Amino acid sequence: QSVLTQPPSASGTPGQRVTISCSGSRSSIGSNTLNWYQQLPGTAPKLLIHSDNQRPSGVPDRFSGSKSGTSASLAISGLQSEDEADYYCASWDDSLNGPIFGGGTKLTVL
Amino acid sequence: EVQLVQSGAEVKKPGESLKISCRVSGYVFTTSWIGWVRQIPGKGLEWMGSIYPGDSDTRYSPSFQGQVTISADKSISTAYLQWSSLKASDTAMYYCARLWFSSGWTLFDYWGQGTLVTVSS
Repeated sequence: QSVLTQPPSASGTPGQRVTISCSGSRSSIGSNTLNWYQQLPGTAPKLLIHSDNQRPSGVPDRFSGSKSGTSASLAISGLQSEDEADYYCASWDDSLNGPIFGGGTKLTVL
Repeated sequence: EVQLVQSGAEVKKPGESLKISCRVSGYVFTTSWIGWVRQIPGKGLEWMGSIYPGDSDTRYSPSFQGQVTISADKSISTAYLQWSSLKASDTAMYYCARLWFSSGWTLFDYWGQGTLVTVSS
């Protein structure tokens, strides 16, 4: 069972702005930075956002991250069909003494 | 260019043993952790454990402690995940990924392509 909680699904139409939430605890998101991964169908996860709101080189600025307290959000603006994927939040958990993932959100572009 | 290349898909019977590999290139193998992540078909990502090849320090998630063994061979820049007796419930995709962490901060930045393990009688 994931200790980071995400909605199982999200959807939007091309051009729209979509947000995906991630809820944790004081021992996870409340004390550690938050990352987001994108997993396109049939591929390995790819780092999308790290350290709460930093984009690795090559990630479009349509993707942005934010965090407040024990919750975080991923926002995708100007939604494109190629954004259809599973999105996972991840952090460190001080109680587990290891990394943890959210259950994942399947984004559908209608 | 950092690359993590995993061994190919495996089909095994319950009770058999298995060792899958993750060969890295493009950085000094002994200077960062390698983590293993399980993904059951249609499900999410689960951290299994990690190893620091520099000194073989190994950490396991409580969910996987005693179920698998993680090791590394510095001479060939390769990390391993092994099972001594597979179960049908071990059927999953397994990813290796480079892992960084320090106080308040963690990151899997590069991932292997995954190894699909199928356990069926």
